[in-house]
Amino acid sequence: AAGVIQSPRHLIKEKRETATLKCYPIPRHDTVYWYQQGPGQDPQFLISFYEKMQSDKGSIPDRFSAQQFSDYHSELNMSSLELGDSALYFCASSGLGMAQYFGPGTRLLVL
Amino acid sequence: GENVEQHPSTLSVQEGDSAVIKCTYSDSASNYFPWYKQELGKRPQLIIDIRSNVGEKKDQRIAVTLNKTAKHFSLHITETQPEDSAVYFCAAILNRDDKIIFGKGTRLHILP
Repeated sequence: AAGVIQSPRHLIKEKRETATLKCYPIPRHDTVYWYQQGPGQDPQFLISFYEKMQSDKGSIPDRFSAQQFSDYHSELNMSSLELGDSALYFCASSGLGMAQYFGPGTRLLVL
Repeated sequence: GENVEQHPSTLSVQEGDSAVIKCTYSDSASNYFPWYKQELGKRPQLIIDIRSNVGEKKDQRIAVTLNKTAKHFSLHITETQPEDSAVYFCAAILNRDDKIIFGKGTRLHILP
């Protein structure tokens, strides 16, 4: 079965640079969520979109923005990157039910 | 907001024995409780879930119980195997499309 796709899988950036992470949800899933996971931490919710509209916002810095497009894929834009932004970024999607399925993640390293 | 507490943070179990991980939640309105297994550097994988109108659910060696009155839910893994070694997260969700509130995770070690 098709799963959530994320790209890129790995990303290395310098401080103050920008990064764009992409997420392609499971087909027919209408809700996308972004989570950030630091080493040894639980995933922390950043932002979510339902039917292309922002549905909830968590601990997302003002330097980050996101959107969901007409084909339901989502992009997380991160600007003025800081060392502390180094983390695993997961996208998850859900459809008719409440289960959220996670993508493989993007490992971001800020140098 | 919702808060999920998870215990223990680390658990070592002899291969073949059972493992139990316990969680409590604060918001009585939460009505969906998934459990995720995460291996190092990989995605959280949904292994079992339970809705608030059900007291117990079982899938092969994995079972989850829910006590709505006490706001407790637990994961039970029987006949543990080496591949069960991972971090397990309990979680709560209020409604469909809501964010997952994770517990802090339990690192499960299966000892040979």
